[in-house]
Amino acid sequence: ETGVTQTPRHLVMGMTNKKSLKCEQHLGHNAMYWYKQSAKKPLELMFVYSLEERVENNSVPSRFSPECPNSSHLFLHLHTLQPEDSALYLCASSPHRGRGGELFFGEGSRLTVL
Amino acid sequence: GDSVTQMEGPVTLSEEACLTINCTYTATGYPSLFWYVQYPGEGLQLLLKATKADDKGSNKGFEATYRKETTSFHLEKGSVQVSDSAVYFCALSVPNTGGFKTIFGAGTRLFVKA
Repeated sequence: ETGVTQTPRHLVMGMTNKKSLKCEQHLGHNAMYWYKQSAKKPLELMFVYSLEERVENNSVPSRFSPECPNSSHLFLHLHTLQPEDSALYLCASSPHRGRGGELFFGEGSRLTVL
Repeated sequence: GDSVTQMEGPVTLSEEACLTINCTYTATGYPSLFWYVQYPGEGLQLLLKATKADDKGSNKGFEATYRKETTSFHLEKGSVQVSDSAVYFCALSVPNTGGFKTIFGAGTRLFVKA
């Protein structure tokens, strides 16, 4: 039990579909993150929410749209994706302060874009 | 800017061999340092951490010492097991306006043969 739960674990979608990834944490953290992990590439930070406000958006294409309705939930809305967007999408959370910035990860959502 | 460099893999060892994975960092402030591990099909999880110079983090037989003079945080284990086969990520974390900024190394894949 990691405390961070991601659904779905696997998702296959066409380029014209719209889908969403969901992340939920019950650790009492107030910062949440989306990372993209592609084969043979470093982890890429996509979005950061701290105290429910987006504080970082690392030049992510607009076909990825995050939503953070409260400090326990984070969504990544997907539309008109490309095959190169196929990757493992990892959600993480951390306390806003304390623990030196330790991140708590979910198990990831494996996305395949056909 | 802040960065983390870790040795490229894959690293292949026989069971009970000694392991060292090198990690060096560049940071303008006083970072916390981490090793995360990713087992097949899972997300990342914290293996160990150190928050100030000369601290030693340890867990599951793995150790790493925060060396400020050499800006290093090498991961070591005296006797690896097949179950240690995974990808290991070195990371640093520094405070920023949104909480913390985390920089990951590229990851080192470890294979342990029986």
